[in-house]
Amino acid sequence: DGGITQSPKYLFRKEGQNVTLSCEQNLNHDAMYWYRQDPGQGLRLIYYSQIVNDFQKGDIAEGYSVSREKKESFPLTVTSAQKNPTAFYLCASKDIASTDTQYFGPGTRLTVL
Amino acid sequence: AQSVTQLDSQVPVFEEAPVELRCNYSSSVSVYLFWYVQYPNQGLQLLLKYLSGSTLVESINGFEAEFNKSQTSFHLRKPSVHISDTAEYFCAVSDRGTGFQKLVFGTGTRLLVSP
Repeated sequence: DGGITQSPKYLFRKEGQNVTLSCEQNLNHDAMYWYRQDPGQGLRLIYYSQIVNDFQKGDIAEGYSVSREKKESFPLTVTSAQKNPTAFYLCASKDIASTDTQYFGPGTRLTVL
Repeated sequence: AQSVTQLDSQVPVFEEAPVELRCNYSSSVSVYLFWYVQYPNQGLQLLLKYLSGSTLVESINGFEAEFNKSQTSFHLRKPSVHISDTAEYFCAVSDRGTGFQKLVFGTGTRLLVSP
């Protein structure tokens, strides 16, 4: 089945630690996105990538980093510089050759202890 | 810049009653419009979308939404809800066309269906 996978589903981190969230897709989509979701605030764009080895900052990129070494993978690192990292993180992908919309993974819930 | 407003943060309703979830948007260019649904601790699933053509769009599970350009609205309706419709619903807007898509989301409406 084609789709987007995110791992782990739940992640706990101590303050001061960097953590990396995984996002993999087998939809052959060029574009991939990372969003952060907080209660009552909807989804906010962290980073996006339209092609391998290229990515752009979204609206709330501070304290995060990404890489895009392979078309199917777009990992997100939450660094110790992120002041309030506890949130639900969602990855999405899109076929840029069509008018179809983004498709989302199941999400990773990050909790800082 | 685009924005989406979902005025109702929570909508309680009894099973088999009708429901309307409101969405208004602001944009200086023509847009595509979307409704996504999110069940607890899950990702977003596309419920329905308006790209062009008929202003009334329907989903496979009985929801419908109507694009109203003059009122810049895209309200979601269902004539009779089920307990299983309990979820959070997000309205989103993007520029028209192919290529990179930036989705702008509303803050969501939690639909609570009780027996």
